[in-house]
Amino acid sequence: NAGVTQTPKFQVLKTGQSMTLQCAQDMNHEYMSWYRQDPGMGLRLIHYSVGAGITDQGEVPNGYNVSRSTTEDFPLRLLSAAPSQTSVYFCASSPVDSASGANVLTFGAGSRLTVL
Amino acid sequence: GQNIDQPTEMTATEGAIVQINCTYQTSGFNGLFWYQQHAGEAPTFLSYNVLDGLEEKGRFSSFLSRSKGYSYLLLKELQMKDSASYLCAVRDSNYQLIWGAGTKLIIKP
Repeated sequence: NAGVTQTPKFQVLKTGQSMTLQCAQDMNHEYMSWYRQDPGMGLRLIHYSVGAGITDQGEVPNGYNVSRSTTEDFPLRLLSAAPSQTSVYFCASSPVDSASGANVLTFGAGSRLTVL
Repeated sequence: GQNIDQPTEMTATEGAIVQINCTYQTSGFNGLFWYQQHAGEAPTFLSYNVLDGLEEKGRFSSFLSRSKGYSYLLLKELQMKDSASYLCAVRDSNYQLIWGAGTKLIIKP
């Protein structure tokens, strides 16, 4: 049981380049999400999905695309990288059960992205 | 706007007790979470409160007062491995998590 697997762990891009951060989970979680974490700020939600074929925007979606073709995978695409996208990115998943349930997030190990 | 406030950094001594506070102003409330994050690692779940009162889990306890928009995380018998950042997050009326910036806890021998 690997949990949430993110790749790559580190990446350096030049401004204007595109790339995809991969995220896969083996817990059959319906909910998957991408966050970015910057110094002095709370985690900020980029995009999320509540099931295969369903995606929605979070707080900071501009410059990022996602798709959810399977329950397991939720890749994050940077279309044209900018220095402002230098950050640590976390993929997280959880079950979606009752509204009163905790639905605890399980995070991947993170991907540190630097855009020059 | 929505806001979660926590102290930026706290220092405590090994073996002692420390209380990390979190105050929040959000559009609706559907639960409050505490996560622990060691440097360079992913956040991991510590506790969840949805009703007022104290939830105890071993050396860690979490308290919630919904009327005051306030929670705290209490860590007892501090160990060096407790040196980490502690993140407070509130689930709002849209069931989205709003995160605080985290409290970096430094444990000294």
